[in-house]
Amino acid sequence: DAKTTQPPSMDCAEGRAANLPCNHSTISGNEYVYWYRQIHSQGPQYIIHGLKNNETNEMASLIITEDRKSSTLILPHATLRDTAVYYCIVRDYTGTASKLTFGTGTRLQVTL
Amino acid sequence: KAGVTQTPRYLIKTRGQQVTLSCSPISGHRSVSWYQQTPGQGLQFLFEYFSETQRNKGNFPGRFSGRQFSNSRSEMNVSTLELGDSALYLCASSLPGQGVRSEKLFFGSGTQLSVL
Repeated sequence: DAKTTQPPSMDCAEGRAANLPCNHSTISGNEYVYWYRQIHSQGPQYIIHGLKNNETNEMASLIITEDRKSSTLILPHATLRDTAVYYCIVRDYTGTASKLTFGTGTRLQVTL
Repeated sequence: KAGVTQTPRYLIKTRGQQVTLSCSPISGHRSVSWYQQTPGQGLQFLFEYFSETQRNKGNFPGRFSGRQFSNSRSEMNVSTLELGDSALYLCASSLPGQGVRSEKLFFGSGTQLSVL
């Protein structure tokens, strides 16, 4: 299984950009990088995913390095509601079936 | 559009009992997967169903089983409950057709199971 490495915790001031790094040095050429977040007592929430190009949606931006061995999730203007555990995931595939292998994630604390 | 619905939200059982959890996916979603979340092991994949067929399974004992109905609703069953089965059980649905490799999962809020 492809593995990811994330810092266990990060702090960010409200209104600032939160940049969450992720290493995935064993990623295969056709595997996507996904980001989910989990706010306390809720199910994980999809944020964004990408293959090799940078991606942006209404929630965040995803920057993937050219060698695809690492990526950064950017929340451009963090708010208190962004406080959550953020998971960087490389999807595992067997034929047409897939599963998400969650690591321990990064606990982001947004403060006033 | 309604999200993924899991029932019940909380459940208390005793060792040796069995339990059935229910998941209703987002309308139109045909793939349902189940995850177990514990403080010690984190989020772990249990199994995935598509068109009433299990197409992927995690490393859990045979006491954990599931099924999917023709309307895509899914149930998971745990027999002979153990204390270590206490966990948050999460269900997720997805819409195949986006391309398996890029499909998004939508999670429910989970069922918190406590085994006493």
